[in-house]
Amino acid sequence: EVQLVESGGGLVQPGGSLRLSCVVSGFTFSDHYIDWVRQAPGEGLEWVGRSRNKVNSYSTEYGASVRGRFTISRDDSESTVYLQMNSLKSEDMAMYYCTRGFQYNGHWYFDYWGQGTPVAVSS
Amino acid sequence: IQLTQSPSSLSASVGDRITITCRASQGISNYLDWYQQRPGKAPKLLIYAASTLQSGVPSRFSGGGSGTSFTLTISSLQPEDFATYYCRQCDTFPITFGQGTRLEIK
Repeated sequence: EVQLVESGGGLVQPGGSLRLSCVVSGFTFSDHYIDWVRQAPGEGLEWVGRSRNKVNSYSTEYGASVRGRFTISRDDSESTVYLQMNSLKSEDMAMYYCTRGFQYNGHWYFDYWGQGTPVAVSS
Repeated sequence: IQLTQSPSSLSASVGDRITITCRASQGISNYLDWYQQRPGKAPKLLIYAASTLQSGVPSRFSGGGSGTSFTLTISSLQPEDFATYYCRQCDTFPITFGQGTRLEIK
């Protein structure tokens, strides 16, 4: 059974840091892209960033609002994807989801999602 | 690439046929998918590559379009379909979502 489980969310002060984890199981970790997507309270979905698969050297992409502050990394031995968030702002407050990609005709679509982990930014 | 969904909200009854439109600010071929999100839950993939039904999704859901105009149609609404729907483009970075369409029971 494919599973993605996020953790690490919590309350942090503006300017602070937090590291989210996404532990996956039920599929070959290195074969799949993993995206992070967030949703502010009462708002829509926002793409945060991407970790490509091992064939693509686990290279990353980021949304404009987080580029330079957030970093995505992987640990093969733990089947875990991390989202390191630095210099947090109030507008980063959201539920954060990790999601698994599958490839179809050269593009990647996302079929399994975790339950999300909440991040609150407040003094 | 901006995605604009219409309508932003919609009231309908069980058994109705409804269509949601997603328009892209530039051509994205068929690199678009649709998600359903129920309150307090993670999004669920319904349609990918504009018109391919995800495994396990009921056949009353269908998608169409290419280029800049796309549709999601539910042929006969069921009670569990009342949720928020999002389109997403994966043609160009940054990946973007539409603003969502909230489907409510009339």
